[in-house]
Amino acid sequence: GENVEQHPSTLSVQEGDSAVIKCTYSDSASNYFPWYKQELGKRPQLIIDIRSNVGEKKDQRIAVTLNKTAKHFSLHITETQPEDSAVYFCAASKADKLIFGTGTRLQVFP
Amino acid sequence: EAGVAQSPRYKIIEKRQSVAFWCNPISGHATLYWYQQILGQGPKLLIQFQNNGVVDDSQLPKDRFSAERLKGVDSTLKIQPAKLEDSAVYLCASSSLAGGRGEQYFGPGTRLTVT
Repeated sequence: GENVEQHPSTLSVQEGDSAVIKCTYSDSASNYFPWYKQELGKRPQLIIDIRSNVGEKKDQRIAVTLNKTAKHFSLHITETQPEDSAVYFCAASKADKLIFGTGTRLQVFP
Repeated sequence: EAGVAQSPRYKIIEKRQSVAFWCNPISGHATLYWYQQILGQGPKLLIQFQNNGVVDDSQLPKDRFSAERLKGVDSTLKIQPAKLEDSAVYLCASSSLAGGRGEQYFGPGTRLTVT
């Protein structure tokens, strides 16, 4: 079955710097790749997603890139702010079934 | 629109006891999911419903876990008997579109502690 690996497990950056989180997946048939942000004690919330027919997608300070050949996708956050501090999960989906990565704890220091 | 509702928010039980969780998805969402999220890990799918039918329950420990969505709307997840390793947050999510085309909206979760 599908396996999603996510790195790094923790990431600390200074406010204003960029943060990059990377994920790899195993099933080449996966076609939908969402990213979720989960603050402590709260529900996961979708922040951006990309489908397999697109290589890059941006939404203000966040962007996601997808390399189907290499089977990896990345989340890029620019101009980080303290409120970006949370755990970020990538996921890969085939036939509406999401397989999540292990999460990255991002800490943005003011 | 109203979000996914779950209850209770917290539950503490002793091992070998039973527990049930309830989920009400977003109105009109045909697909409903139950996930288990152990502390420090990503959510793991337990079961997926499309209307009142089970699409995928391959990760559900069927000797102790059961779930139903009888009328294709709200759903219950039951654990009987509970084990210590069942301590986790149980998340319900719903989606309006099948085939990987729809965003999944998560409920607030039920935090289960088994002592």
